[in-house]
Amino acid sequence: QQQVKQSPQSLIVQKGGISIINCAYENTAFDYFPWYQQFPGKGPALLIAIRPDVSEKKEGRFTISFNKSAKQFSLHIMDSQPGDSATYFCAASKNAGGTSYGKLTFGQGTILTVHP
Amino acid sequence: EAGVVQSPRYKIIEKKQPVAFWCNPISGHNTLYWYRQNLGQGPELLIRYENEEAVDDSQLPKDRFSAERLKGVDSTLKIQPAELGDSAVYLCASSPRTSGSYEQYFGPGTRLTVT
Repeated sequence: QQQVKQSPQSLIVQKGGISIINCAYENTAFDYFPWYQQFPGKGPALLIAIRPDVSEKKEGRFTISFNKSAKQFSLHIMDSQPGDSATYFCAASKNAGGTSYGKLTFGQGTILTVHP
Repeated sequence: EAGVVQSPRYKIIEKKQPVAFWCNPISGHNTLYWYRQNLGQGPELLIRYENEEAVDDSQLPKDRFSAERLKGVDSTLKIQPAELGDSAVYLCASSPRTSGSYEQYFGPGTRLTVT
C-alpha cells in the first residue's frame, strides 16, 4: 500500500525555536521525498526535497533528514519565524516503472503555528 | 517565470449541475497533474498527462469526471453531474519531467462548493 504517515497533526513553537515534523512511508519503491508548504487559500509550494542516496539536505533554515532503513524522513525548521506558520505536507513518489510514476502520495499534513 | 494558472478560483454550484476547471501549466512543462484536496487532508492524484496523453487516470471517477489536454498545453477537468461529496479544492500541477526533474509545481487551486 502506498501510504505516507505524518506526525504531529499540529505543532506550536515559539519564535526562534526548532520545528520538527516526521513522516514514515511503506513503499520501498519511493525514490523522491519532497516537503510542501501551504498557506490558507494557496496551492502547495515546494519547499525542499531529497532523494534516498543522501541522508540529509539543507537549504537555509530548512533541513530534511532521511533514514532509508527505517523508512522515515523529517523536516527541521531552524529559528522558526511567525511567517513559517502554515500547513506542511510531506510526500513521496516513485519515478521509474509502471504508469503510476510521478504520482505524489501526500501525508495528512501538519499545522505549524509559530508564536512571536 | 509565470506559475501554474487556474480558473476559476472559486465555484459554487448546486448538486447535479456540471462544472469545469481550467489549468494553464508552466511554459515548457510537458507533464500535467490534477489533484483533489479535501479539507484538512493532503492532495490526492486524479489524473496525470504526459503531453496530450492521459498516462494515469486510475483514480479518476470516470462515471462523472472527465479531463482533456488538447495540444499538450492547457487542460480542463469536468464534473457532470456534481455531487455534494465533490466539494473540495481542485489543484493543477505541472512538471518538467523531460529534464529529469521530479519537481511538481502547483497552482492556487479552484475551491468547489456543491450545495
